[in-house]
Amino acid sequence: TQLLEQSPQFLSIQEGENLTVYCNSSSVFSSLQWYRQEPGEGPVLLVTVVTGGEVKKLKRLTFQFGDARKDSSLHITAAQPGDTGLYLCAMANTDKLIFGTGTRLQVFP
Amino acid sequence: DAGVIQSPRHEVTEMGQEVTLRCKPISGHDYLFWYRQTMMRGLELLIYFNNNVPIDDSGMPEDRFSAKMPNASFSTLKIQPSEPRDSAVYFCASRSRGRGGELFFGEGSRLTVL
Repeated sequence: TQLLEQSPQFLSIQEGENLTVYCNSSSVFSSLQWYRQEPGEGPVLLVTVVTGGEVKKLKRLTFQFGDARKDSSLHITAAQPGDTGLYLCAMANTDKLIFGTGTRLQVFP
Repeated sequence: DAGVIQSPRHEVTEMGQEVTLRCKPISGHDYLFWYRQTMMRGLELLIYFNNNVPIDDSGMPEDRFSAKMPNASFSTLKIQPSEPRDSAVYFCASRSRGRGGELFFGEGSRLTVL
């Protein structure tokens, strides 16, 4: 059973556009992480959010944790081809990390 | 510092053969995780260890799958006998602390069962 739903599943955009991807669950998260995975590699951590309503920025990436800690969003401003990859949210369930369904982003020059 | 090291990177085998995937976690990390990734099912947790002890194997698909961690620097995931539906990328990951800590992944082992 998939506990974390991400949307959209696929996204193809032109360089310079803005985009938002979403991560939703029926469960409350104690913490949530966002990872990016490039082809042929393992996922790499981008950010961890812990507090409801928390907003974190990483250069052109803005991460938001919902007030009720059941959802999160990732906003990318002025996307670059280097942002291409699979974006995964993940929630901690005891010591386990459960990953979402993923959003596959393609940014064209 | 070396990251998580997995071998082999690629394996092609025939149905019914035994497959062994290997993982060396980052030194000092207490947690080790095995995940499987496919297009259909995404990234699924198979099993995880804490201090070399298996804690949760509820994600292991069936008895054909087994995992061991004989010491802090080595783990194996074995599939016997393998089936075509086992074709996937298998990732090993390690972490130095409990809930909320960063997970460090290896580059994965791509398995194809013909």
